[in-house]
Parts: sequence; C-alpha cells; structure tokens
Amino acid sequence: DSGVTQTPKHLITATGQRVTLRCSPRSGDLSVYWYQQSLDQGLQFLIQYYNGEERAKGNILERFSAQQFPDLHSELNLSSLELGDSALYFCASSSTRVLYGYTFGSGTRLTVV
Amino acid sequence: AQTVTQSQPEMSVQEAETVTLSCTYDTSESDYYLFWYKQPPSRQMILVIRQEAYKQQNATENRFSVNFQKAAKSFSLKISDSQLGDAAMYFCACLNAGNMLTFGGGTRLMVKP
Repeated sequence: DSGVTQTPKHLITATGQRVTLRCSPRSGDLSVYWYQQSLDQGLQFLIQYYNGEERAKGNILERFSAQQFPDLHSELNLSSLELGDSALYFCASSSTRVLYGYTFGSGTRLTVV
Repeated sequence: AQTVTQSQPEMSVQEAETVTLSCTYDTSESDYYLFWYKQPPSRQMILVIRQEAYKQQNATENRFSVNFQKAAKSFSLKISDSQLGDAAMYFCACLNAGNMLTFGGGTRLMVKP
C-alpha cells in the first residue's frame, strides 16, 4: 500500500456519460498530480494541485476538470466521454520535498463503451 | 519544456544475466532529478531508483544501478542478476524545478527463465 488511495479501481461507462475519479493523497502530502496512461503508452500529465490551488496544467481536455478539496483529496471529472478516453488514470502525491519523487496510487481503469 | 526518450520499446534478458535500459532526456534546467519507475502487470508505479543531477556519483539500489552521463543527457538503468520478478515496464522520468515529472514512453523488459 503506497498510501495514495484511488477509487474506484475499475469503471465501465457509456459514451457521452460523466464520471468522477477520486484520490486521497498520502498523509502529509500537499501536492496531487493526475496522469493518463493509454494502452501500453507512457504517462501523460494532466494537472497538478498544491494545497487546494491549481499549479500546472498539461494536455488536459476541456471536457476534463479537477479540483482539490480542503481535506486535500482530489477529484478528476471526465465528461462527454468518448471511446478514446478509455485509459488508466493515475493519481500521485508528493511532499514539499518533491526531489524524492511522486508516490502513485494504484490507478483507476476507465473503460468507455 | 522537457522531453524524455526511451528508444528501446522492448528488451529481453536471461535470468541471472545483466541488462541495460537506455534513456535520454532534454531539459533547460540546471537543477533536476531523474528517476526510473517500474510498472509490473499489476500496473502499480513503483520507484526503482533516483539520481540528483548535481551529483556525479551514480546511484545504486541493490541490483539496480544507473549510468548518469550529464553532458550527454543520458540516464541508463542497469539491472544485475535479473530475476523473473523484474519483468515489467520501466519508465524513465525527469523532474524539473517546477515539480513536473515527465515520463518517457517506457521499455518492456522480459525475463527468460
């Protein structure tokens, strides 16, 4: 157990629907990062939050949004889902001393049918 | 922007032998950190080893070591005495001062018994 909790582990939904992925960071970590991993590809950075504020944005689609709440958990909202959105979505967290890298959750496998 | 390139989509090694996975990166930062992550079939992202760019000494963690060539912007991972449990996807990643972790496309390592 890495200490980063992602729910749900698996999600199957239809095109056009909206889903919410949830992440609880490791205790004490203020930063949360979201990544998308399509089949057998690398991890693409989506968005970063630090203590409730958005810090950086990657190639995140306008149909996707995220937020970090006062208790530091984060949610990634995906709307108007398309088949191509099927992927593994990772959440990671880090302490202020990011030089030790990120700690990753086990991911949410999203399948759009 | 920074980029990370892994030129070997797949590698194979005989059990107990040594294998080297290649990685090159490009960053305009003078202060950065490099990482290798392992992703087994469970899909969990596991930190294998990290290297601070300002340190000339190559990092070592048990059977895992790196060959860091700063001028060439090269960061290869050497796995000694390969074990069946080493079979996984391996991702090279670069962390910049903005705390952004950029990943390469990955190398799939197969270990033959």
